[in-house]
Amino acid sequence: SQQGEEDPQALSIQEGENATMNCSYKTSINNLQWYRQNSGRGLVHLILIRSNEREKHSGRLRVTLDTSKKSSSLLITASRAADTASYFCATALSGGYQKVTFGTGTKLQVIP
Amino acid sequence: DTAVSQTPKYLVTQMGNDKSIKCEQNLGHDTMYWYKQDSKKFLKIMFSYNNKELIINETVPNRFSPKSPDKAHLNLHINSLELGDSAVYFCASSQFPASGETQYFGPGTRLLVL
Repeated sequence: SQQGEEDPQALSIQEGENATMNCSYKTSINNLQWYRQNSGRGLVHLILIRSNEREKHSGRLRVTLDTSKKSSSLLITASRAADTASYFCATALSGGYQKVTFGTGTKLQVIP
Repeated sequence: DTAVSQTPKYLVTQMGNDKSIKCEQNLGHDTMYWYKQDSKKFLKIMFSYNNKELIINETVPNRFSPKSPDKAHLNLHINSLELGDSAVYFCASSQFPASGETQYFGPGTRLLVL
């Protein structure tokens, strides 16, 4: 299936440190998105990177995409306790009404 | 002024019962979705509607029937509930059905079947 897999499954860091999580997927994609889910809440969109882009920034977030390796990474710099959440990558194929397929998620804990 | 709202937030019911979950979005979006998130946090799409028309229908038991009375509403009716239906159900919407569209999620409905 197209499902992405995040790595690591769980990550615990100190406040102020950087957090890196990775997503690997199986088939060619049109774009890849990252979402955050706080405990007990719905998902919130963070950033979208298209297949012809290699890197994108948004505030403290940096996303890279390597289509040759079928992988993406999300870097959160200078982490804060409020960044504690689960992070999901979501891949989409091109053309028509293509569904977005979510990965398995990385649970990030930022310790104050 | 919640963008995507769902009711109820919690639903506890007995096996065999029929229940409905409602979703409304006030973003003016054309497309709405239902997702199921299991206990391992795996999120899987169930259905998608674009302007009241069903466009994605994943392999979901017939006991699940979505209904979209207008493009701002998407309800999910579940017949003969089973233990395995226990999960969190999320509604989402996007401006268009294209695969690169940002989706806006509701807060979820936590269903527990006893």
